[in-house]
Amino acid sequence: DTAVSQTPKYLVTQMGNDKSIKCEQNLGHDTMYWYKQDSKKFLKIMFSYNNKELIINETVPNRFSPKSPDKAHLNLHINSLELGDSAVYFCASSQGASSGANVLTFGAGSRLTVL
Amino acid sequence: SQQGEEDPQALSIQEGENATMNCSYKTSINNLQWYRQNSGRGLVHLILIRSNEREKHSGRLRVTLDTSKKSSSLLITASRAADTASYFCATMTGGTSYGKLTFGQGTILTVHP
Repeated sequence: DTAVSQTPKYLVTQMGNDKSIKCEQNLGHDTMYWYKQDSKKFLKIMFSYNNKELIINETVPNRFSPKSPDKAHLNLHINSLELGDSAVYFCASSQGASSGANVLTFGAGSRLTVL
Repeated sequence: SQQGEEDPQALSIQEGENATMNCSYKTSINNLQWYRQNSGRGLVHLILIRSNEREKHSGRLRVTLDTSKKSSSLLITASRAADTASYFCATMTGGTSYGKLTFGQGTILTVHP
């Protein structure tokens, strides 16, 4: 069973469209994250949720809206897509406080291409 | 600006050789972690070293941490072709419960058979 699964794996869309990426973890972790990896492999944190509560919100355009219906799911909705949104988006989860170390388990990534 | 920066950006070696990658960071940390990313895949955690530790081993991996110089190194001994991947250091800042893990830009390691 995949520990952190995200769908879709590939997404090609036109500028101006709205799209969503879904993420689910079956590890029982309390904390989930969205990271964006650009073409130069730079990985930047976007959001983090702990038990459905938003705890990290980096400087991200408000076109990006995360939603956590329960602690096993963290979805990312992007409105009015722009060319610069093209990247690989990674979902991750961690045990958080109970592990004392915040080791992340990553999904396989969702490659978004905006044309 | 990035918390962690890695050096070299790319490293090419022969199988059996050792590979050393370095990471520098700017602010105080709780811990430092190393991750591997194979092409087209997600990142996989390799090893964690806490701020009060100086060296840690895991199999063929050896990590050192020098908090006075704000730097860390990852040594892979007796490298194999399967070690070919990108390697990222990541620093944990803030509280361990709601801390933030910030990644460097990575070192691309190529191990030739």
